[in-house]
Amino acid sequence: LAKTTQPISMDSYEGQEVNITCSHNNIATNDYITWYQQFPSQGPRFIIQGYKTKVTNEVASLFIPADRKSSTLSLPRVSLSDTAVYYCLVVTPRRDDKIIFGKGTRLHILP
Amino acid sequence: SQTIHQWPATLVQPVGSPLSLECTVEGTSNPNLYWYRQAAGRGLQLLFYSVGIGQISSEVPQNLSASRPQDRQFILSSKKLLLSDSGFYLCAWSGGSMNEQFFGPGTRLTVL
Repeated sequence: LAKTTQPISMDSYEGQEVNITCSHNNIATNDYITWYQQFPSQGPRFIIQGYKTKVTNEVASLFIPADRKSSTLSLPRVSLSDTAVYYCLVVTPRRDDKIIFGKGTRLHILP
Repeated sequence: SQTIHQWPATLVQPVGSPLSLECTVEGTSNPNLYWYRQAAGRGLQLLFYSVGIGQISSEVPQNLSASRPQDRQFILSSKKLLLSDSGFYLCAWSGGSMNEQFFGPGTRLTVL
């Protein structure tokens, strides 16, 4: 399993763009990068997943450089409701692969 | 569509008492199933995962056990609870080729 490293916490203000970077130096060729969001007293929720370059959906964008040793989750124009813990995972698309969550990044949005 | 159920939502148990938490998934077949525990303000700790009926992999040595008696049912048990078993227990399933996980609503367990 590829280990991921991300900041423990971040603060930002409403309306700002927030970028959370994750490093995964030993990512394997078949691995994908996946991000989850967790609000207090809820289970994590899938946000976005990508293999290389850029992926965008209605919630976020994911930027992955060519070497794939890091990735950046970008949240455009955050609001107070984006305050949550964000987890970066490297996932192998195999049925028998267990999924390990790290400590995540605690994002706190200020008014 | 797929849904995942967990019960009970909250539980307060004395030290030394038994535990049984249940998780069921609807709308999919042969999912991977997972039990996680999250202590207050901490990350998710993978406890058990299962790729099929009767197949359980344990990640952390402890006084907990898991069973999968049916394809879409996953049970977390303990014979004697410890204070350190308090936490937020989450069940999850995955079944797609990309291993995207879907989590249940969780059970908040307090051991007194």
